[in-house]
Amino acid sequence: DTEVTQTPKHLVMGMTNKKSLKCEQHMGHRAMYWYKQKAKKPPELMFVYSYEKLSINESVPSRFSPECPNSSLLNLHLHALQPEDSALYLCASSQEPFGAGGSYEQYFGPGTRLTVT
Amino acid sequence: AQKITQTQPGMFVQEKEAVTLDCTYDTSDQSYGLFWYKQPSSGEMIFLIYQGSYDEQNATEGRYSLNFQKARKSANLVISASQLGDSAMYFCAMREGQTSYDKVIFGPGTSLSVIP
Repeated sequence: DTEVTQTPKHLVMGMTNKKSLKCEQHMGHRAMYWYKQKAKKPPELMFVYSYEKLSINESVPSRFSPECPNSSLLNLHLHALQPEDSALYLCASSQEPFGAGGSYEQYFGPGTRLTVT
Repeated sequence: AQKITQTQPGMFVQEKEAVTLDCTYDTSDQSYGLFWYKQPSSGEMIFLIYQGSYDEQNATEGRYSLNFQKARKSANLVISASQLGDSAMYFCAMREGQTSYDKVIFGPGTSLSVIP
């Protein structure tokens, strides 16, 4: 099973709402990632979790709050978002963080298309 | 400073022909990895091929091969015998760092259209 699942597929939320995005993998991967992707642009790294600990936060605004409850699950909690936060949010996982010595390509989920109204 | 450059925003190729997508990168790390991903209009990112900085042979995966020129910091993707299903965005990406630092940077992408 090389699948990363993400729910929901689509999300529309108002600027005062609180919502969460969920990502799950059952491949035993120890590194998980959140990316934001605007139309016709490359994915931008937001957060990296290595061995369930936050290892990279790319200066993401605090209205985005990641959480890794266990090694298979990654959440992204959203609060007081702005319309410019509308994008495709991609989750990815890899067997190990890169420095562990292998290629460890990332497996991506299908993404959540978020619209903030 | 942009670390990954893909100079071809859009490309066309005739079906069954080969096509080369360019990628140059910049890093001061000795240990790094280079990846190519395909993103169809559906949005899912699909891993195609990987080249490690210490790999001496160019990577190949079926119809995909990576032309790795380390001194020139170049990692071009070659797709042989193009198919209509190859129409998509293609991203070159670099992963660099040691055990405490793990970052993947994507290039701006190349949109490939395969013509029947």
